[in-house]
Amino acid sequence: EEQLLESGGGLVQPGGSLRLSCAASGISFSRHAMSWVRQAPGKGLEWVSAISDGSGDSTYYADSVRGRFTISRDNSKDTLYLQMNSLRAEDTAIYYCGRDSPILVLWGQGTLVTVSS
Amino acid sequence: EIVMTQSPATLSVSPGERATLSCRASQSVGSNLAWYQLRPGQAPRLLIYGASTRATGIPAKFSGSGSGTEFTLTISSLQSGDFAVYYCQQYNNWPPGTFGPGTKVEVK
Repeated sequence: EEQLLESGGGLVQPGGSLRLSCAASGISFSRHAMSWVRQAPGKGLEWVSAISDGSGDSTYYADSVRGRFTISRDNSKDTLYLQMNSLRAEDTAIYYCGRDSPILVLWGQGTLVTVSS
Repeated sequence: EIVMTQSPATLSVSPGERATLSCRASQSVGSNLAWYQLRPGQAPRLLIYGASTRATGIPAKFSGSGSGTEFTLTISSLQSGDFAVYYCQQYNNWPPGTFGPGTKVEVK
């Protein structure tokens, strides 16, 4: 069964850092671009970042996170990452990883990130 | 950046009836439009891409239409699992792949 499982969310203070992980199973991970999308409480979906397939040479970011977030992948572990630095209250959201880009064909269930003092 | 709008914000439908959801883009996105379903506690699900092509495993009760700036998602014979929030996403001008604000389909 194709599955994506996010982890690494939690409570962090403003200005802090967090690294999210997305473990893939049942898919040929290296052959797919991957994405992160978030949903703030009571809000809609917001595209966050994407990375190309293979070695992940190409990365893309929303203006709201560029310079603070870094997307990466480890094909040997079938895992996608999102390193989040200089976190702000407005980064509070459920973060979903998705297979493929720009269309997210398969989604994980998400991990909650709360930025608060 | 292309702005996506959806209407109505909330749609009240009786089980067994049909729901029609609208999505509008601030400029033409061709047929580069996807629809997703979000249910509480579950992973979001891709329903439609290319404005009208059903994703793998999506039943025929879900149909998409439109092009340019006006799009429609139709859900026939609503069942309990269909009551959810639906989002459209344009990917013609990517990045970013902007989403609409969503339409909540609730039980009437």
